[in-house]
Amino acid sequence: DAKTTQPPSMDCAEGRAANLPCNHSTISGNEYVYWYRQIHSQGPQYIIHGLKNNETNEMASLIITEDRKSSTLILPHATLRDTAVYYCIVRAHHGSGNTGKLIFGQGTTLQVKP
Amino acid sequence: DSGVTQTPKHLITATGQRVTLRCSPRSGDLSVYWYQQSLDQGLQFLIQYYNGEERAKGNILERFSAQQFPDLHSELNLSSLELGDSALYFCASSAQSIQSTDTQYFGPGTRLTVL
Repeated sequence: DAKTTQPPSMDCAEGRAANLPCNHSTISGNEYVYWYRQIHSQGPQYIIHGLKNNETNEMASLIITEDRKSSTLILPHATLRDTAVYYCIVRAHHGSGNTGKLIFGQGTTLQVKP
Repeated sequence: DSGVTQTPKHLITATGQRVTLRCSPRSGDLSVYWYQQSLDQGLQFLIQYYNGEERAKGNILERFSAQQFPDLHSELNLSSLELGDSALYFCASSAQSIQSTDTQYFGPGTRLTVL
């Protein structure tokens, strides 16, 4: 699985958009970009994933560059409850010898401030 | 609520002892993953089961073992416990089929403290 690089920490004002970057320059063609977050020792929470196209759901938007070497997770209106460690993970899905295990890096600690 | 349940929430035991952690996957999910999160190592993949069969192994010690039962729940057995085994243990499940998403959903975890 490809490795990712994320800034160790970021701050965001409550109510503003939080933009969390992730570099994955060695991503393969069959690898997806996944985002999870972990709020203070709770189980990691799935946020969103994508392959090539930008994706949006009720939690966030995922913008993937055309060359797929980087992506940005956008929380449109951050709240204090969004304070968490955000993990960007690239992985292939099940099949073709892939187990689907997630390899977590250190993530980005997002602090949302009032 | 992810739909994945883990018991117990907390476990305190002594060195040398053996414990069993239990995980019930989301309804319909065939694949179960176990992860360990310690302060110095971060979240690390331990082992995966798919429909009762071991599928992949990660950084799992020989003192640790797991299994997945016919009803798809899974147990992680930790024996000869050491102080360094104190950690959060998470279970995740996914459908892992061609027709459905491969997203893993995590349980709330079991916090193991070895004294």
